[in-house]
Amino acid sequence: AQSVTQLGSHVSVSEGALVLLRCNYSSSVPPYLFWYVQYPNQGLQLLLKYTSAATLVKGINGFEAEFKKSETSFHLTKPSAHMSDAAEYFCAVSRAAGNTPLVFGKGTRLSVIA
Amino acid sequence: GAGVSQSPSNKVTEKGKDVELRCDPISGHTALYWYRQSLGQGLEFLIYFQGNSAPDKSGLPSDRFSAERTGGSVSTLTIQRTQQEDSAVYLCASSPRGQTFRGTQYFGPGTRLLVL
Repeated sequence: AQSVTQLGSHVSVSEGALVLLRCNYSSSVPPYLFWYVQYPNQGLQLLLKYTSAATLVKGINGFEAEFKKSETSFHLTKPSAHMSDAAEYFCAVSRAAGNTPLVFGKGTRLSVIA
Repeated sequence: GAGVSQSPSNKVTEKGKDVELRCDPISGHTALYWYRQSLGQGLEFLIYFQGNSAPDKSGLPSDRFSAERTGGSVSTLTIQRTQQEDSAVYLCASSPRGQTFRGTQYFGPGTRLLVL
């Protein structure tokens, strides 16, 4: 069964610094990989998704993620953090191709310090 | 266009009571999912509807939980005889059919359930 591990339940960065949120999936390559963001008292918003078309995926709000099969990773990065990036971030994998339930990591809370 | 909507946004109930949570998916979306988000367990899949197929109920934690989807659109998640451990945020998501979307799910704002 697919599983996702997010290293670090809480990450704190200074405004303008690099953001790196880590995600590793289980050994079998999932069809799709996603990063979602959740702002307080809101639902999940899609940041970006990997569908095997390209290993480097660009998303909204300046975020990007790189799929590395050799490392079973899909880490999320942003060159320069902004105060508005403070939120909870979830990495997720699909169980199979097409419309199927997602398996989520535990989430990483990002704090941005002025 | 309109996104996924859920009602109520907040629900407080007493232990042992039944509750119904409603989800209106994005118009035309064929797949609908329910997830539960709680502090200790993170985001857990509960149940999944795809078109007219039988729902995938593999994530329901007990037989107190059930869901239906009427007319391929609106869904209701019912929790009978609520327990304090049912307190969580219940999230609904929907997906359109088609390769273009590659399984992307669009989430509603959630219903925050508190069982006293």
